[in-house]
Amino acid sequence: KAGVTQTPRYLIKTRGQQVTLSCSPISGHRSVSWYQQTPGQGLQFLFEYFSETQRNKGNFPGRFSGRQFSNSRSEMNVSTLELGDSALYLCASSLSREADTQYFGPGTRLTVL
Amino acid sequence: KNEVEQSPQNLTAQEGEFITINCSYSVGISALHWLQQHPGGGIVSLFMLSSGKKKHGRLIATINIQEKHSSLHITASHPRDSAVYICAVSPPYNNNDMRFGAGTRLTVKP
Repeated sequence: KAGVTQTPRYLIKTRGQQVTLSCSPISGHRSVSWYQQTPGQGLQFLFEYFSETQRNKGNFPGRFSGRQFSNSRSEMNVSTLELGDSALYLCASSLSREADTQYFGPGTRLTVL
Repeated sequence: KNEVEQSPQNLTAQEGEFITINCSYSVGISALHWLQQHPGGGIVSLFMLSSGKKKHGRLIATINIQEKHSSLHITASHPRDSAVYICAVSPPYNNNDMRFGAGTRLTVKP
């Protein structure tokens, strides 16, 4: 069974631009969560999608948004990029929202210049 | 104060040593997770615990719900165990909204 895939793996953008990151969960997994990892703040929860609906959102500004498609694939979007958005963005999938192991993708490393 | 505290921040061991990493949390949880992150960023979920103890190979994880404390033990450590180990907790209402500790960077020398 293929693991969680994320595209692109690396991305360089400039301030003010917007970016879309993609995550394909493990086949059969319906829950997709997104996390941001920075050297200063560590890992932080961004949001979770289940059955095409955002179920929970972390403490991030409205510039961060996402969606989930009927095949459970998910995208996250960051608009009006700031230097501080430079980070590793990880997605993780799980079968359900209940107590279940999350499987992480390799991440997308975003650099904002 | 962070909701999840890990100690130590950095740990260097000789191959074969027994290793313990500690995690304390201050919130109610539905589960506690131990994650492993290798250089390059990939994260692997090692354990998910809601009570007691779990073992997988040379790794053992324990949790004490009353004391809000968990430990990750590595027996007979090996250089390939070198990684960052991260403790994370899930709140009672949503397993997938994880709150993370800062991580413990483990280096095992041959």
